[in-house]
Amino acid sequence: ETGVTQSPTHLIKTRGQQVTLRCSSQSGHNTVSWYQQALGQGPQFIFQYYREEENGRGNFPPRFSGLQFPNYSSELNVNALELDDSALYLCASSFLGADGYTFGSGTRLTVV
Amino acid sequence: TQLLEQSPQFLSIQEGENLTVYCNSSSVFSSLQWYRQEPGEGPVLLVTVVTGGEVKKLKRLTFQFGDARKDSSLHITAAQPGDTGLYLCAGVIYQGAQKLVFGQGTRLTINP
Repeated sequence: ETGVTQSPTHLIKTRGQQVTLRCSSQSGHNTVSWYQQALGQGPQFIFQYYREEENGRGNFPPRFSGLQFPNYSSELNVNALELDDSALYLCASSFLGADGYTFGSGTRLTVV
Repeated sequence: TQLLEQSPQFLSIQEGENLTVYCNSSSVFSSLQWYRQEPGEGPVLLVTVVTGGEVKKLKRLTFQFGDARKDSSLHITAAQPGDTGLYLCAGVIYQGAQKLVFGQGTRLTINP
């Protein structure tokens, strides 16, 4: 059983640029959630995808968007990057309705 | 807005000592989870507590869910250096999607 894989592991972008982060969900899971973890803080919910559609969103602006593909993998896109977007972005997969989450190791995004 | 407050934020103790970490909220959660996160890794699920008053034990770790399902505690007996890490509590809620509301974490250091 493979776990959750995220790529890239680290990324440096310039303010105003766009970024795409990728996540492969754990085998048997059909739901993907994305979280942002700022330094020294707990993760914050960005959104969740199920059946290739967003089915829940946290307090993040529309420049944060995502996709889910038929194989349940997912992308997180962030447009017009701001310095405050610097954080660890975590992907978590689960089976809809179950409360067992498997997190990936995250992508460390630095915006300069 | 659901908020989870963890205390203490930082804890440094000697090997063999006991400790308790608290997680408090004014909101009711359907269940509550505890995670441990190592540097450069995603959170790893330790336990899920569901019923008010529930107590679960995982070797030297004891988790308790408050009667009103608003708070929880993690007690570690005879702490070991391998227990060092960031401990996160997360309440499970349903707002269009099932999501986790995390506390800010407790950074635990066990000194040999």
